[in-house]
Amino acid sequence: QQQVKQSPQSLIVQKGGISIINCAYENTAFDYFPWYQQFPGKGPALLIAIRPDVSEKKEGRFTISFNKSAKQFSLHIMDSQPGDSATYFCAASNIGFSGGYNKLIFGAGTRLAVHP
Amino acid sequence: GAVVSQHPSRVICKSGTSVKIECRSLDFQATTMFWYRQFPKQSLMLMATSNEGSKATYEQGVEKDKFLINHASLTLSTLTVTSAHPEDSSFYICSASKSTRTEAFFGQGTRLTVV
Repeated sequence: QQQVKQSPQSLIVQKGGISIINCAYENTAFDYFPWYQQFPGKGPALLIAIRPDVSEKKEGRFTISFNKSAKQFSLHIMDSQPGDSATYFCAASNIGFSGGYNKLIFGAGTRLAVHP
Repeated sequence: GAVVSQHPSRVICKSGTSVKIECRSLDFQATTMFWYRQFPKQSLMLMATSNEGSKATYEQGVEKDKFLINHASLTLSTLTVTSAHPEDSSFYICSASKSTRTEAFFGQGTRLTVV
């Protein structure tokens, strides 16, 4: 129940295209869903996050879509650029649980390659 | 702001020795720090949660005596891998947060290689 399932494992997109990464969870207690970007040899950096009270959140070229009934959320990267090539992780946590905000359960990761 | 720094970024040690990794919050006081482990091309697995001035809480399956965590101040937490073995080789990442209800920021990670 603690798992967060992420797909696809890898993704190749042409420059200017849309990158879509999907995640699904089982634990209905999760109430915080962030996405992280990680470059090789570096720690992850927060891209965008969403709470279950909204179905979509957009920040620049990055959009999270959230479907509470399906227990799924996805990251859309519009106008993908070669500089977006990295590994992307979805994650989930339970803010309400003591110390739970940052006790993140990560998905397996998606390696995105944006070709020029 | 919100910079978390790890040191060293890379370390190679001999099997049987111990190695210490530092995690510092440079521009804020971190009441809580988290330690993760990441195998190549895999996800991050939470190892333990440390709160300043108290004992760390370890996740199930993580050996407390092998991975010693100390959070002695509001800006520093350390992870000591004791009696390291080649299977301990991994990428270790910390994160730090100002409080239990604010976002945590990740360090750049430490690549440990045990030979």
